[in-house]
Amino acid sequence: QSVLTQPPSASGTPGQRVTISCSGSNSNVGSNFVYWYQQLPGTTPILLIYRNNQRPSGVPDRFSGSKSGTSGSLAISGLRSEDEADYYCSTWDDSLNGYVFGSGTKVTVL
Amino acid sequence: QVQLVQSGAEVKKPGASVKVSCKASGYTFTNYDVYWVRQASGQGLEWMGWMNPNSGKTGYAQKFQDRVTMTWNTPISTAYMELRSLRSEDAAVYYCGRGPYCSGGSCYSRGMDVWGQGTTVTVSS
Repeated sequence: QSVLTQPPSASGTPGQRVTISCSGSNSNVGSNFVYWYQQLPGTTPILLIYRNNQRPSGVPDRFSGSKSGTSGSLAISGLRSEDEADYYCSTWDDSLNGYVFGSGTKVTVL
Repeated sequence: QVQLVQSGAEVKKPGASVKVSCKASGYTFTNYDVYWVRQASGQGLEWMGWMNPNSGKTGYAQKFQDRVTMTWNTPISTAYMELRSLRSEDAAVYYCGRGPYCSGGSCYSRGMDVWGQGTTVTVSS
């Protein structure tokens, strides 16, 4: 059971906007930056968003992140077939004194 | 280019230990933390701990506190993760990742921006 709650799945048709939530608490999301990772089927995870809303170079601007209080979110606009993947949020947890991951959200493009 | 290259797949018996290596290149090894993460088949990502080659500090997830040791060899820019007393549920892909940039006692995190290719550990009698 992860301390960060994500919906197990999300879906949309090509071109649509999909949003994934990441719910935590004051000891993690509420007081630390949120990071998002994308894991395409059978591959190594890659960093998608860092420090709540920053994109590493090479990440399309269709991906955006935000944070409000104890929840973070990842939005994918202009959904494409190649966005089918698992998405994980993560952050530092001050109570656990360690990094934590959400349980992951599988995005399906219909 | 910046990369982390991990050692090859391992097959271990229950009760044994495994040591996975992670060789860094393309950046100054001592300027960044190294994180270790694992993923069991069909499951999510699980953070195991971190190490800082410059300060000499390590931190482990509570779950692995008594079974894991993270070390490094600075001259060859290589980090190691050893997990002892293996059980079947330790079968997973183990990843190293580049963590926060740390200098002068402060750190700036851009997340795990570089990942190793993963090392598959099989635990079977």
